[in-house]
Amino acid sequence: EVYLVESGGGLVKPGGSLRLSCEASGLNFRNAWMIWVRQAPGKGLEWVGRIKSKDDGEPKDYNAPVKGRFIMSRDDSKSTLYLQMNSLKTEDTAVYYCTTGLRYFAHWGQGTLVTVSS
Amino acid sequence: DIQMTQSPSSLSASVGDRVTITCQASQPISNFLNWYQQKPGKAPKVLIYDASDLETGVPSRFSGSGSGTDFTFTISSLQPEDVATYYCHQYAGLPLTFGGGTKVDLK
Repeated sequence: EVYLVESGGGLVKPGGSLRLSCEASGLNFRNAWMIWVRQAPGKGLEWVGRIKSKDDGEPKDYNAPVKGRFIMSRDDSKSTLYLQMNSLKTEDTAVYYCTTGLRYFAHWGQGTLVTVSS
Repeated sequence: DIQMTQSPSSLSASVGDRVTITCQASQPISNFLNWYQQKPGKAPKVLIYDASDLETGVPSRFSGSGSGTDFTFTISSLQPEDVATYYCHQYAGLPLTFGGGTKVDLK
């Protein structure tokens, strides 16, 4: 069974930084494309970005609202995905999910809440 | 960006009713479309992938169809456990985008 467990969420002031982690088990993490999706309170789903496997060159793609502020990385030796979030804005307040898949997302974590507020 | 217009945004139906949700892409996306179910406080769950393929373990009352720009998601006989919000999702181009969601509840 595949498990994805996010951590690192919390309350941060505008302009601050936070690093989220997503620890995976039960899958070949090294070959997995990993994705972050977020959901603002009471709103829909928004793709944040994805990081491909090292074998695919580990390219990273970001959605425009976070490009230049968020950085994804992965540590295959720890089966862990990271999301470094800098220059946080109030509109970044959301539950952040990690998920995995090439065409569709069959496995999701439980999500971690990030609140950006003064 | 490929915009996904989902309708309706909410609906109420009775147990046993047939429920239909539509999703329209702003440009052709072939069959690169998935449908997810999300219950309150939970992560989304994929039900349909590649527009019409049923994910393993998902009840057969759920189905999807369409290609190009117009897609349909159907629950053939609504059950109480189907109360949830449903999202379409395209993966034809970056950024990946989701429809706005359809909240389904019981009448």
